[in-house]
Amino acid sequence: GDSVTQMEGPVTLSEEAFLTINCTYTATGYPSLFWYVQYPGEGLQLLLKATKADDKGSNKGFEATYRKETTSFHLEKGSVQVSDSAVYFCAYNNAGNMLTFGGGTRLMVKP
Amino acid sequence: GAVVSQHPSRVICKSGTSVKIECRSLDFQATTMFWYRQFPKQSLMLMATSNEGSKATYEQGVEKDKFLINHASLTLSTLTVTSAHPEDSSFYICSATKPSGSHEQYFGPGTRLTVT
Repeated sequence: GDSVTQMEGPVTLSEEAFLTINCTYTATGYPSLFWYVQYPGEGLQLLLKATKADDKGSNKGFEATYRKETTSFHLEKGSVQVSDSAVYFCAYNNAGNMLTFGGGTRLMVKP
Repeated sequence: GAVVSQHPSRVICKSGTSVKIECRSLDFQATTMFWYRQFPKQSLMLMATSNEGSKATYEQGVEKDKFLINHASLTLSTLTVTSAHPEDSSFYICSATKPSGSHEQYFGPGTRLTVT
């Protein structure tokens, strides 16, 4: 069935390091793809999205490119900050309102 | 913008009692609202989907009689956990979509329920 797979965390990085969080999906058609961020004790915030193949979503220094050929939507940031410490969820929406989430990846950035 | 609020943010209740959680879309009318449950360090689990004025659609394994959902208006949905037990302790998150058809979900800040 349809699913989203993210790399397991926690991912621990030093400040200013390069970040990659892998995400691949299994779905038919052309879903919209999302990255959500959840800070401790809070709900989810949309970080970025892409709605069609080769689109690049970007926000707050984070980027992800919709790769149809590899069914991937990897999240990247060139230089992480301590304030980026959070849990990141990859998700897709395929016709209709329902979102399918990955398991989440916890990022810990140390000063 | 698209702001979704939840109330309360935290609630502690005793076993056997019921607790109601509200989800409101503050600056838009929500065609559909979703209720999720999140266990510690885990992903979100969709519990049910509700449309204004109609019965909620529950996901497999979610007890309808235990988790009562009411979507009485285009800006308010409520989740009532009836006869709560400690295993119902969790983080409950709602989301809402706009009528525009973009399917983007806007999430509330979540409600931490602790059943003692």
